[in-house]
Amino acid sequence: QVQLVESGGGVVQPGRSLRLSCAASGFTFSNYGMHWVRQAPGKGLEWVAAISHDESNKHYADSVKGRFTISRDNSKNTLYLQMNSLRAEDTAVYYCAKRGAGVTLGDYWGQGTLVTVSS
Amino acid sequence: QSALTQPASVSGSPGQSITISCTGTSSDVGGYNYVSWYQQHPGKAPKFMIYDVTNRPPGVSNRFSGSKSGNTASLTISGLQAEDEADYYCSSYTSSSTWVFGGGTKLTVL
Repeated sequence: QVQLVESGGGVVQPGRSLRLSCAASGFTFSNYGMHWVRQAPGKGLEWVAAISHDESNKHYADSVKGRFTISRDNSKNTLYLQMNSLRAEDTAVYYCAKRGAGVTLGDYWGQGTLVTVSS
Repeated sequence: QSALTQPASVSGSPGQSITISCTGTSSDVGGYNYVSWYQQHPGKAPKFMIYDVTNRPPGVSNRFSGSKSGNTASLTISGLQAEDEADYYCSSYTSSSTWVFGGGTKLTVL
């Protein structure tokens, strides 16, 4: 069965960096685009970034453009999110999600990893 | 990248039907048949419920259905059950090759 397991979250000071990972299993990772979606405490879902199956296309929300970088290693079945210049408003649970048929955002989701940006 | 508009809350009694709306623009909801819906219970990851406006993934109850008219998509849940109580989010692909979510709707089963 499809499994997505995020890791790398934690407490970080404003302005610092953090890298999240998402380990995928149960499907052919290299055939599917992937997404990062976040959810601030008590708030709704916010799409963050997407990457195509072969890393040829990457797209970002305006709120993270220039600060976050999505990448993947198909040999390791792993998705990454490099987060630089972190701000308090980046505090959220970060989910990775597998792209579904067509442009469907997420037919499978991980359990999320919490990032807290605080001094 | 403005969020899609959903009602903050809806409610219904067991056995009734409810509809949650999701309003966007011609650059997202109205321009593509790429609207999805997700159910989220407290402390859990979102669950994929509807894709491409009307399609149900395997395993999702046929009590859940989706539709779209113009710039507004809708999720209808018929035969409400206690376990349907959750937050519901719509999402759409956009003309900028990005995705956008609605603000979420809290469904209360009375």
